[in-house]
Amino acid sequence: SQTIHQWPATLVQPVGSPLSLECTVEGTSNPNLYWYRQAAGRGLQLLFYSVGIGQISSEVPQNLSASRPQDRQFILSSKKLLLSDSGFYLCAWKGAGGWQYFGPGTRLTVL
Amino acid sequence: GENVEQHPSTLSVQEGDSAVIKCTYSDSASNYFPWYKQELGKGPQLIIDIRSNVGEKKDQRIAVTLNKTAKHFSLHITETQPEDSAVYFCAATYANAGNMLTFGGGTRLMVKP
Repeated sequence: SQTIHQWPATLVQPVGSPLSLECTVEGTSNPNLYWYRQAAGRGLQLLFYSVGIGQISSEVPQNLSASRPQDRQFILSSKKLLLSDSGFYLCAWKGAGGWQYFGPGTRLTVL
Repeated sequence: GENVEQHPSTLSVQEGDSAVIKCTYSDSASNYFPWYKQELGKGPQLIIDIRSNVGEKKDQRIAVTLNKTAKHFSLHITETQPEDSAVYFCAATYANAGNMLTFGGGTRLMVKP
């Protein structure tokens, strides 16, 4: 069966510091991968998606970037965090039927 | 592109009552409609989905209905329990083309014991 992992689970970072969040998927190959952000009490905002290694599409211009160095690894990064980057970051992968499965999320607080 | 609207944004029901959450979509080409449940501090979990070739689907206490003509679909939860309390998201996409899921804004369901 397929499993999706995210780490770290929680992170507190000062403004201006770098960021690296990691997502890995097990039990499938060449999945479509997604990064979402969810502000407190809000809906899901799609940040990036990837259909393959090295292929990244950005949905919203911002302070973040994404990379896919391996088939089942998706990384979200920032060189300098802003206060507005705080939120709950979710990674997801897409199954053959169209549905998306979400990871457990990373709660990021920027102080 | 697709646009999905979800109502209500919050819903409070008494334990044992039914809860209904409604979504409308704009793109008549959409053919796949999943529903997700998100508990506090966790990622959304797929709970039920429906494709455009059926009008209703049931799984124990939850059901989803789809009206393609009116372009709306609904989630029905019967005999609600406190553990049903969560945020629910609807979504829509044209699955065959590999398009993105478009999510509704979410509904916070509170089931009072």
